Amino acid sequence: SQTIHQWPATLVQPVGSPLSLECTVEGTSNPNLYWYRQAAGRGLQLLFYSVGIGQISSEVPQNLSASRPQDRQFILSSKKLLLSDSGFYLCAWNSAEGYTFGSGTRLTVV
Amino acid sequence: AQSVTQLGSHVSVSEGALVLLRCNYSSSVPPYLFWYVQYPNQGLQLLLKYTTGATLVKGINGFEAEFKKSETSFHLTKPSAHMSDAAEYFCAVRSNFGNEKLTFGTGTRLTIIP
Repeated sequence: SQTIHQWPATLVQPVGSPLSLECTVEGTSNPNLYWYRQAAGRGLQLLFYSVGIGQISSEVPQNLSASRPQDRQFILSSKKLLLSDSGFYLCAWNSAEGYTFGSGTRLTVV
Repeated sequence: AQSVTQLGSHVSVSEGALVLLRCNYSSSVPPYLFWYVQYPNQGLQLLLKYTTGATLVKGINGFEAEFKKSETSFHLTKPSAHMSDAAEYFCAVRSNFGNEKLTFGTGTRLTIIP
């Protein structure tokens, strides 16, 4: 079966610290992968998408970066977190049924 | 370019009453349209989708939506609200070619009044 895993579920990090959020997909190959951020009252904002290994497209300028080292792995990173990076981060892949989302990571920058 | 507008960031209905969540879209090409539901601190779950064919789409949990091209709308309805329907609902649009990015509305939080 096709599943998507995202971790950690919650994270509290100090300002200026690094970040690494990981997303992996099982049961499919060469998926399109996406990172969204959900800020309170602002809906979902597409941050990055990837159509293949090493191929990353950035939707908005920001303090974050993404990488796709393997076909089914998508990583969201930051070298130095800002307070404004707080939010709920969702990974997704484009399945035949539409987008399938991970369970999300609640990031709080303090 | 494509966009989605969800009218009403908060909607409250009584248990057993009709649920109507509004969504209007803008797309330069024939769209694919989606409704997702999100429960607190969880990911998004697909409720239903429209791609082609029948314009009235039935989804999970008794929800349905109708694609109206002339009105550029894709409103979500349910005849009788249940307490378990309390959640946030997102409408989304996607082009039917290209990189298949989903563009979301800002969401509507549905509250069910006992």
